[in-house]
Amino acid sequence: EAGVTQFPSHSVIEKGQTVTLRCDPISGHDNLYWYRRVMGKEIKFLLHFVKESKQDESGMPNNRFLAERTGGTYSTLKVQPAELEDSGVYFCASSQEGPREGNTEAFFGQGTRLTVV
Amino acid sequence: AQTVTQSQPEMSVQEAETVTLSCTYDTSENNYYLFWYKQPPSRQMILVIRQEAYKQQNATENRFSVNFQKAAKSFSLKISDSQLGDTAMYFCAFMKPTNYGGATNKLIFGTGTLLAVQP
Repeated sequence: EAGVTQFPSHSVIEKGQTVTLRCDPISGHDNLYWYRRVMGKEIKFLLHFVKESKQDESGMPNNRFLAERTGGTYSTLKVQPAELEDSGVYFCASSQEGPREGNTEAFFGQGTRLTVV
Repeated sequence: AQTVTQSQPEMSVQEAETVTLSCTYDTSENNYYLFWYKQPPSRQMILVIRQEAYKQQNATENRFSVNFQKAAKSFSLKISDSQLGDTAMYFCAFMKPTNYGGATNKLIFGTGTLLAVQP
């Protein structure tokens, strides 16, 4: 069974440009999470999808970030326009059960390293 | 708000030795989960071990075990018989579970500890 996959693995863009990150969760997983780790700091929650709906987007930094999950399958995270402070590693995770199952394991992708220059 | 602190940015251990990674957290909740995740270089982050706060017994997974001290809000990870493949970034994480629909089981992470196992 394929794990969580993220594309691209690395991206270097100039300040002001647009970048779109993609996450393919494990098939059948309704829950999809985005996290971000800025260099040397903790991994921070960005948002949570249940199927195609945004359940919690309290961690999104600002309106330059737009996440979508068309059809409840893969998800994209677009940054437009990118700023220097957006650099970091963006992780995607998926889990099978709903929020009632508090002990459900979240499976992570390898992350996308974004560098804004 | 919950916080997780990992005070050791980097650690090194000799192969076959034992190493302990520290993690403390702050919460006013009584029921929660704690996790240790491992991310090897350029690879996916994987779950190493999980502890339910209501369980007094420390979780164990093969060479990995935890020392969970609920009153002290401490959750350290012990790796026995360290192997080269244990070289990775280790993240401690907290989760407050929900038991109703429409909620998010988001993880709150520490800053990580980079463990290097030396041959």
